[in-house]
Amino acid sequence: GEDVEQSLFLSVREGDSSVINCTYTDSSSTYLYWYKQEPGAGLQLLTYIFSNMDMKQDQRLTVLLNKKDKHLSLRIADTQTGDSAIYFCAETGGSTGRRALTFGSGTRLQVQP
Amino acid sequence: DSGVTQTPKHLITATGQRVTLRCSPRSGDLSVYWYQQSLDQGLQFLIQYYNGEERAKGNILERFSAQQFPDLHSELNLSSLELGDSALYFCASSPRLASIDEQFFGPGTRLTVL
Repeated sequence: GEDVEQSLFLSVREGDSSVINCTYTDSSSTYLYWYKQEPGAGLQLLTYIFSNMDMKQDQRLTVLLNKKDKHLSLRIADTQTGDSAIYFCAETGGSTGRRALTFGSGTRLQVQP
Repeated sequence: DSGVTQTPKHLITATGQRVTLRCSPRSGDLSVYWYQQSLDQGLQFLIQYYNGEERAKGNILERFSAQQFPDLHSELNLSSLELGDSALYFCASSPRLASIDEQFFGPGTRLTVL
C-alpha cells in the first residue's frame, strides 16, 4: 500500500531557508502536495507537483521531486516566523487513481527570531 | 476561509455515545471527503462522497458511517464511541472527481470522548 514519511521536527532561524523532506512508497503516485496546518486551523494547500515534473517554484516555495528515489522536498526561502506550522506531504493517484489524499505524519517547523 | 464549514467546532461526549458531525462543502463542489487526525494515526482518509454517492472508503471503522444529502452537505455519524475516537475530524470538498482538483479543507470538528 501507499505510505508517506516525513521527519517530525525542523528548527530554523528567521531569514534562513527551510528544507522539509518527504519520502513515499507508491511509485505510481500522480500528484504530490504540500499542505500547511497552523494551530487551530484546517489544512491549507501550499503547492503541488505533477509526477512528471522535477521542480516547481512558486514565490518563496520550491518543490523538488526525485522520482527515482521517491523523494519530495519543500524549500521555503527567507523563512519567517509566520511560517511556523506543521507541514504535511501528501499524494494522490497511484495505480487505482486514488483521489483521497494519503498524508505523511507532518513536520513541525519552528522559526526562531 | 476555505468556504467549507463544519459544525460543531468542538464536541465533548462520553464513551458509548453517538454523535453526528456536519459538513457544508464550498458552493458548487460535488465531492466531499472526511479525514481523521489523531495523535496515534496521524491524518487518515475515512470516506468520500460524490454527488450523493459513496465513491471511496479508507480506514473507516464499521461504527462510523456517512452520507451526502441532495443539497450536498454531508454528515459523519460516529457510534459506540471509544476513547480512541477522540480526534480532529476534517471535511474537505472539491469540484469534481479529478485527482488534480484541489481539496479545500474545513476548520475541523474536535471530538473529545471521555
